[in-house]
Amino acid sequence: NAGVTQTPKFQVLKTGQSMTLQCAQDMNHEYMSWYRQDPGMGLRLIHYSVGAGITDQGEVPNGYNVSRSTTEDFPLRLLSAAPSQTSVYFCASSYSRPITDTQYFGPGTRLTVL
Amino acid sequence: ELKVEQNPLFLSMQEGKNYTIYCNYSTTSDRLYWYRQDPGKSLESLFVLLSNGAVKQEGRLMASLDTKARLSTLHITAAVHDLSATYFCAVADSWGKLQFGAGTQVVVTP
Repeated sequence: NAGVTQTPKFQVLKTGQSMTLQCAQDMNHEYMSWYRQDPGMGLRLIHYSVGAGITDQGEVPNGYNVSRSTTEDFPLRLLSAAPSQTSVYFCASSYSRPITDTQYFGPGTRLTVL
Repeated sequence: ELKVEQNPLFLSMQEGKNYTIYCNYSTTSDRLYWYRQDPGKSLESLFVLLSNGAVKQEGRLMASLDTKARLSTLHITAAVHDLSATYFCAVADSWGKLQFGAGTQVVVTP
């Protein structure tokens, strides 16, 4: 199993540009989520999905969109990048919600918005 | 709203000595995780604690949970350089979402 994969590893955007961060898992996990990590703030939940076709907002959803058309993929879209979105983004997955199952994290995408 | 506080945020350890990282949380939860993150890397699950009084040990690391006090501790015994990393606790809220602490950066020196 490849586990949780994320692409790209690094990305530089200009303010106002849009892009999609890709996340895929091959463990048949129903629950997937996106976090951003900023210095001194731990990880904060952006969006999550409990299964294909079902998504919901986390703590910091503004400026981001998600969709879940398949069990395997959970892309994160930045609609109009802003410098405040400079961060490291982690995708994670688990069989069920974190209240019952351990989440496994991808390698991360380091995003810089100029 | 669930809040998770870790302390200290930075811990300079001497090799061979013992240290403890504390994780306090504000509301009832049935599951607490400890993760390790090496610089520039992803998060690795260390422990999951499910019930009051739970204790888990792996090598020089031991985690415990007191749900009545809403407190978890990560104890490091006889620190070694390989344990240098950032350690996060994370608590699942009633909706099943994870709330992370800010992390404790651990540096172990000779």
